[in-house]
Amino acid sequence: AQSVTQLDSQVPVFEEAPVELRCNYSSSVSVYLFWYVQYPNQGLQLLLKYLSGSTLVKGINGFEAEFNKSQTSFHLRKPSVHISDTAEYFCAVGGTGFQKLVFGTGTRLLVSP
Amino acid sequence: NAGVTQTPKFQVLKTGQSMTLQCAQDMNHEYMSWYRQDPGMGLRLIHYSVGAGITDQGEVPNGYNVSRSTTEDFPLRLLSAAPSQTSVYFCASSRDREETQYFGPGTRLLVL
Repeated sequence: AQSVTQLDSQVPVFEEAPVELRCNYSSSVSVYLFWYVQYPNQGLQLLLKYLSGSTLVKGINGFEAEFNKSQTSFHLRKPSVHISDTAEYFCAVGGTGFQKLVFGTGTRLLVSP
Repeated sequence: NAGVTQTPKFQVLKTGQSMTLQCAQDMNHEYMSWYRQDPGMGLRLIHYSVGAGITDQGEVPNGYNVSRSTTEDFPLRLLSAAPSQTSVYFCASSRDREETQYFGPGTRLLVL
């Protein structure tokens, strides 16, 4: 079975500071990894995904993530956050069966001026 | 392209009532899913479909039914609503399993 652990339920940060949102997964098969963002009262939208190839993945809005197979991690980073990045971020893993994405519990990023 | 649409946006039910949450997509995606989102639990898969006429259970299927008679539509039925089904429900679709899932705006359901 697959599982995802997002180690921080909430991450407060000041505007223009760097941020890292942590994600660890467990899986016995090859995985696909995703980060989704959910703005208040909206659905989820894809930030970035790792399917294969380069372990450093760049996404929208200046976010990037690095797939680390040995540490089973897929941490999300941004060098300088904006107020508008305030949202909830979900890590997800897929790879077994059809569209059976398993989501983490989410990390709320709170950016203050 | 409307993407993934869901109706209604909000619904209040009494315990024991039934209702159908509607989901439609206009991207000709084969894969569609229903998730529920609860505080501190992330998104959990209820049911999914890999094409018209094919559905399967996800992590939390009890109390819900689905059918997929067309590629476009994937309704979720609550047979006899319970307070434990109070949640936000999201429908999603994708071209295949490796591809991005596109989410609808969600339906907020309150069961009294």
